[in-house]
Amino acid sequence: QAHLVQSGAEFKRPGSSVRVSCKASRDTFSSSTISWVRQAPGQGLEWMGRIIPVLNRPNYAQKFQGRVTFTADEPARTLYMELTSLRSEDTAVYFCARIPNYHFGMDVWGQGTTIIVSS
Amino acid sequence: DIQMTQSPSSLSASVGDRVTITCQATYDITNSLNWYHQKPGTAPKLLIYDASNLETGVPSRFSGGGSGTDFTLTISSLQPEDFGTYFCQHYDNIPRYTFGQGTKLEIK
Repeated sequence: QAHLVQSGAEFKRPGSSVRVSCKASRDTFSSSTISWVRQAPGQGLEWMGRIIPVLNRPNYAQKFQGRVTFTADEPARTLYMELTSLRSEDTAVYFCARIPNYHFGMDVWGQGTTIIVSS
Repeated sequence: DIQMTQSPSSLSASVGDRVTITCQATYDITNSLNWYHQKPGTAPKLLIYDASNLETGVPSRFSGGGSGTDFTLTISSLQPEDFGTYFCQHYDNIPRYTFGQGTKLEIK
């Protein structure tokens, strides 16, 4: 069964970087796109971008261009999202989510990773 | 950039009620619209894709409609487990995904 398992919560200082991992089941890694979505406390959902794992090809939302990097480790079936120059506004739950190859909805989600940025 | 506007922002309804949430796009998006349900502390769950297609495993009381700029999500008979926040989402081939601001549904 398709699934995504994310790394644990982290506490970061402003100006630092964070890397979140998302381990995918075999079928999920090989036949889909993975999006990254974040949700600030009490707020809505914000799309950060996506990556095609087997091609290691990312696309970034304009807001995050230059500050976020998506990578894929095929042998480990793991996706990574690195966000740099952290500020307090980056405090949020970060999700990875699968987009299957037959429609454009996000049908499988990781459990979410809480990132708190504070001095 | 496209804006997706949901209404109402919040609502309260009783078990058994018929509930409709709307989502409006700032320009014609044909049927490039998905709907999600999120309960507090959990990841969103896909309900409807391509405006009107029910995701596998989602109860048939959920339905989606509309095309162009105006879309609806309808719950035909509200159940206690349907509380939470509902989001619409547009996608295009840039690629770019844009969420509505959410509709919080409370059970009376």
